[in-house]
Amino acid sequence: NAGVMQNPRHLVRRRGQEARLRCSPMKGHSHVYWYRQLPEEGLKFMVYLQKENIIDESGMPKERFSAEFPKEGPSILRIQQVVRGDSAAYFCASSPTRPPNTGELFFGEGSRLTVL
Amino acid sequence: GESVGLHLPTLSVQEGDNSIINCAYSNSASDYFIWYKQESGKGPQFIIDIRSNMDKRQGQRVTVLLNKTVKHLSLQIAATQPGDSAVYFCAETNTGKLIFGQGTTLQVKP
Repeated sequence: NAGVMQNPRHLVRRRGQEARLRCSPMKGHSHVYWYRQLPEEGLKFMVYLQKENIIDESGMPKERFSAEFPKEGPSILRIQQVVRGDSAAYFCASSPTRPPNTGELFFGEGSRLTVL
Repeated sequence: GESVGLHLPTLSVQEGDNSIINCAYSNSASDYFIWYKQESGKGPQFIIDIRSNMDKRQGQRVTVLLNKTVKHLSLQIAATQPGDSAVYFCAETNTGKLIFGQGTTLQVKP
């Protein structure tokens, strides 16, 4: 019974390159959330997606960031033209229904992006 | 804006003692609260949750207390063990997305 799977676990990019982070939710989960965590800080909400739909992207930067959750395959968080300030841990969480009805979100182990 | 914050950044306790981690929230419309534990290099792990119509909920060695009058949430860990060392986050929601606080680091001394 695999949990939320994120890859890559570690990603190094140079300024101006693109970063793609993938998240496979738990089996049967159709709700995916992305969070960003800077060192020594809490998790900041970025975006909430349900299969093929973006439900809430109020935490996403207006430029360079995008997210998708296609009908088939993992959810993708894409960061174009990365800058050093994008260096952070990006966590994905999934839920079978929209919280708070379920009681919890299940988090992955995160993808740590380092921008040189 | 609305925020969830913690009173203390670091809490150091002796193994076997009880730990109390506090959290203040500002969104009076929040109706659901969760405590998460995050170990170094890992993702947050669910500990316990509580709804706004309750003031106390107990789990295994953990108790969450909710005081809506002063908008305060606490996590009590009984007989703290070395494996409890981690960062603890409170989170609140009323729209389906979790808003996390800054976190409290719990250090357990042997």
